[in-house]
Amino acid sequence: SAVISQKPSRDICQRGTSLTIQCQVDSQVTMMFWYRQQPGQSLTLIATANQGSEATYESGFVIDKFPISRPNLTFSTLTVSNMSPEDSSIYLCSVRTAFNEKLFFGSGTQLSVL
Amino acid sequence: EDKVVQSPLSLVVHEGDTVTLNCSYEVTNFRSLLWYKQEKKAPTFLFMLTSSGIEKKSGRLSSILDKKELFSILNITATQTGDSAVYLCAVTIYNFNKFYFGSGTKLNVKP
Repeated sequence: SAVISQKPSRDICQRGTSLTIQCQVDSQVTMMFWYRQQPGQSLTLIATANQGSEATYESGFVIDKFPISRPNLTFSTLTVSNMSPEDSSIYLCSVRTAFNEKLFFGSGTQLSVL
Repeated sequence: EDKVVQSPLSLVVHEGDTVTLNCSYEVTNFRSLLWYKQEKKAPTFLFMLTSSGIEKKSGRLSSILDKKELFSILNITATQTGDSAVYLCAVTIYNFNKFYFGSGTKLNVKP
């Protein structure tokens, strides 16, 4: 299994500001994903982070709002830009390794926007 | 449209009860179904099922997949308060490059 470090663990932000969430994995992984979980809801895939190229976004999510970087096989960042209270959610980094078909999750970031 | 549906959405039981959680799916190019337990923020892996009719078991938890009827069940016997959590079902496709999650079942086990 992969050990995934995600930070910050939680943050309270003001409307209109941006927050960058970091995800570091202890081994090279094939796939890195970013999910959002709004209060009382299930996980919604925001995008697949591609190493060295632009992320692949799901319907309803755009790069200007959720820019993602993945400079190498073990690290990715998700930025939540120009935040509004509707962005208050748990954000989860998840990975799949080359030899493991399971999806592993980071510890999550609890974001509250005032 | 690909979808994963879980039922019930929530469940309240007492310690010692047995519960069955359901997950049905309609996903193109199905490969595997996974169950996760989410207590706080990060879901933790429970089972992955790829073949029909083969029960996976871990302690008091067990799960089975029916690929003909497109569903899976997760059983928890002799429930404990520590089983209280949201249980998520996810389905992955043939290349494991996408995972679809159900809405989850919130289980509350009372003493």
